[in-house]
Amino acid sequence: DAGVTQSPTHLIKTRGQQVTLRCSPKSGHDTVSWYQQALGQGPQFIFQYYEEEERQRGNFPDRFSGHQFPNYSSELNVNALLLGDSALYLCASSLVRGNTEAFFGQGTRLTVV
Amino acid sequence: KQEVTQIPAALSVPEGENLVLNCSFTDSAIYNLQWFRQDPGKGLTSLLLIQSSQREQTSGRLNASLDKSSGRSTLYIAASQPGDSATYLCAVPDTGRRALTFGSGTRLQVQP
Repeated sequence: DAGVTQSPTHLIKTRGQQVTLRCSPKSGHDTVSWYQQALGQGPQFIFQYYEEEERQRGNFPDRFSGHQFPNYSSELNVNALLLGDSALYLCASSLVRGNTEAFFGQGTRLTVV
Repeated sequence: KQEVTQIPAALSVPEGENLVLNCSFTDSAIYNLQWFRQDPGKGLTSLLLIQSSQREQTSGRLNASLDKSSGRSTLYIAASQPGDSATYLCAVPDTGRRALTFGSGTRLQVQP
């Protein structure tokens, strides 16, 4: 059983560019959440997708957007990249019902230069 | 707004010691609490999930406790090993939401 998989593992982009990160949830999970983790900090919630809709959103600007596909996989898009967007981006999957565990992928390290 | 604090921020111990990591949260109306391990530059590995109705959860040398009324959880690691060296994070769902709020973590180093 594959866990949560993210791609790519590492990415280097230039300020002002756009980036797309991808996530495949754990088998059987229907909910995908995205987090941003700066060095030395805990992850910060960006948004959560369920049934192909954004259900909850953290304190992130509209430059951050996402999508969930019918197979539950998800994308995170960031437009007009800033140096401050450099971070580890984590995807988590879970089930919408019940007090279930969140499982995380290995993350995508984004560096903006 | 839920806030999560972890103490200490860093800890260095010799191999074989038993140790306790602390996590506190401000809003006790939580569904559950989850402990994670994170190796440098890597993703998060779930260690233990404690439901709000539980007081303890055990997995191998790890034992996590939860006291909702006082807003506290502890992660106990028995007979620590160098392979336990990592950052340990606790997280709780925000009130009424399922987004997780994390502490900043405890960076553990176990000396051989």
